[in-house]
Amino acid sequence: DAGITQSPRHKVTETGTPVTLRCHQTENHRYMYWYRQDPGHGLRLIHYSYGVKDTDKGEVSDGYSVSRSKTEDFLLTLESATSSQTSVYFCATKQGTSPGNTEAFFGQGTRLTVV
Amino acid sequence: AQSVTQLDSQVPVFEEAPVELRCNYSSSVSVYLFWYVQYPNQGLQLLLKYLSGSTLVKGINGFEAEFNKSQTSFHLRKPSVHISDTAEYFCAVSERVDSSYKLIFGSGTRLLVRP
Repeated sequence: DAGITQSPRHKVTETGTPVTLRCHQTENHRYMYWYRQDPGHGLRLIHYSYGVKDTDKGEVSDGYSVSRSKTEDFLLTLESATSSQTSVYFCATKQGTSPGNTEAFFGQGTRLTVV
Repeated sequence: AQSVTQLDSQVPVFEEAPVELRCNYSSSVSVYLFWYVQYPNQGLQLLLKYLSGSTLVKGINGFEAEFNKSQTSFHLRKPSVHISDTAEYFCAVSERVDSSYKLIFGSGTRLLVRP
């Protein structure tokens, strides 16, 4: 299994505070993705990265920003948390060779509750 | 943009019965399709993938899927399910965006296997 670590695994935060979630990988994969999982919506793509400092938006990027300053780390920041951002967040990685058809590897998820 | 539709949010089935989980995707010139499984409180793992060639794809745990280009479908099947197959199943498509790739998921189908 790919070494993907998400931290924290659980977090409760207050509305209006900034929150940063971290995804760390040891596989030297070029691609990294952030998803949120909500009942009835499956996994929705927030942002993704296709290399160091190369990022792009997904379908639900409003209220989120990302940074990737080195290959192994991909940070997701909620600039001012809202209750609608209560969710389970998953990080995934893919190797850069033939990224269209290769397997994505997932972290264990971060459960974020905004109160 | 690509989209994935999983028509059934939940599929109950008795143990040892066959099952089909449906997936339709939006049309594209070329497409890479995937099925992932998520067991409770875990991340996702790959079941199988379609890249090209034979339209019948075999995966792990006895699952298989059939790619149908004319119907833009990629339905997942298993001839005889076990209690341990109870999980959520996600269909996904890889979408090329300029020189990078997004991975887009459907809303998921919860398979509930009853004794």
